[in-house]
Amino acid sequence: KAGVTQTPRYLIKTRGQQVTLSCSPISGHRSVSWYQQTPGQGLQFLFEYFSETQRNKGNFPGRFSGRQFSNSRSEMNVSTLELGDSALYLCASTRTGGTYGYTFGSGTRLTVV
Amino acid sequence: AQTVTQSQPEMSVQEAETVTLSCTYDTSESDYYLFWYKQPPSRQMILVIRQEAYKQQNATENRFSVNFQKAAKSFSLKISDSQLGDAAMYFCAYRSQETSGSRLTFGEGTQLTVNP
Repeated sequence: KAGVTQTPRYLIKTRGQQVTLSCSPISGHRSVSWYQQTPGQGLQFLFEYFSETQRNKGNFPGRFSGRQFSNSRSEMNVSTLELGDSALYLCASTRTGGTYGYTFGSGTRLTVV
Repeated sequence: AQTVTQSQPEMSVQEAETVTLSCTYDTSESDYYLFWYKQPPSRQMILVIRQEAYKQQNATENRFSVNFQKAAKSFSLKISDSQLGDAAMYFCAYRSQETSGSRLTFGEGTQLTVNP
């Protein structure tokens, strides 16, 4: 079966712009989580969506937002991009609560210049 | 808040040998899950092994096994008969069952090199 699909794979944006990243979970998975990975801060939790509702949120500014659609696909948006937003953004999905682990996508590499 | 610490930024092992990666965590909870994930250059995080805190028996998946010491809050990963394909960044992760929902808290990672 298809894995977690993230698009695009790479993205270059200018400071001040906004960006939208997409994640399609494994079929049947209703929970989608987003993580930011940087060399300095490591892997940090952004938020989780379950059945179109945000169920959990990490400590990121309001410029980071997300949503989930009825088909469980999720998008995350970053407005007013800053240089420090350059990172690998990983999406992960699970059927329910993740106690058996999450399946991750290959991420979107965002570079802000 | 829970924290996860991996004290070995880099490790290396000879092919066919055994290597152990260390992980410690800090929590006041009694019910939680621990995971080891592998991230190769392809960037995709791959689940290696999972441990439930209320199970005393150490988890095993083929060449991968853990040494789970709940009282010491230690969760090390042993890779036996190392293969070139095991080379990757390995992350230890904690999932609360009580307070912080389904988020994963990751350690800093250990870069494993396998020498032929």
